[in-house]
Amino acid sequence: GQNIDQPTEMTATEGAIVQINCTYQTSGFNGLFWYQQHAGEAPTFLSYNVLDGLEEKGRFSSFLSRSKGYSYLLLKELQMKDSASYLCAAISGSARQLTFGSGTQLTVLP
Amino acid sequence: DTEVTQTPKHLVMGMTNKKSLKCEQHMGHRAMYWYKQKAKKPPELMFVYSYEKLSINESVPSRFSPECPNSSLLNLHLHALQPEDSALYLCASSHPTGGQETQYFGPGTRLLVL
Repeated sequence: GQNIDQPTEMTATEGAIVQINCTYQTSGFNGLFWYQQHAGEAPTFLSYNVLDGLEEKGRFSSFLSRSKGYSYLLLKELQMKDSASYLCAAISGSARQLTFGSGTQLTVLP
Repeated sequence: DTEVTQTPKHLVMGMTNKKSLKCEQHMGHRAMYWYKQKAKKPPELMFVYSYEKLSINESVPSRFSPECPNSSLLNLHLHALQPEDSALYLCASSHPTGGQETQYFGPGTRLLVL
């Protein structure tokens, strides 16, 4: 079966750094995605990790440890517009099926 | 260009209506997906088409009928829906080979069934 866990809500202050954790248990795991979704909009792609380690892309970084079934998304220099839901998703199987976690609602306060 | 387009943006339909949702991409992606998303929930996979063939049907009721006319188009035909089918319907596409599996989502169709 597939199981992906991430915190439901997080709050941080503008300009700060926040880390959103994700643990997963999936059969046939191929890689881990992070998406950002603002209310009423479609998810937008942030990052994709296949190998262990840290991938940095501007203010956003994502880390993966396949042996631990663990990933995190690191957001630096938080801005008000970063308030959104952040979805962790694992891709698995020959059909490349994407399974989402329940999402972490991040609120950035002034 | 990473654009997936969906029409219509909003749809209101009665339980006896027949309607269709449309999705289009011109990125050369050979895998296309339909997801259903309820408020404050993550997207739930409904169907996967790979090379224009249905590869996954996640036990979706028959009142939802997918169709992939060609590699750029994906339709979702709706018939005799229930009020609980009201949701955001998202289309996504990806290149189904290793290393290029990022799924790009369309803006979605917000469906209300009365």
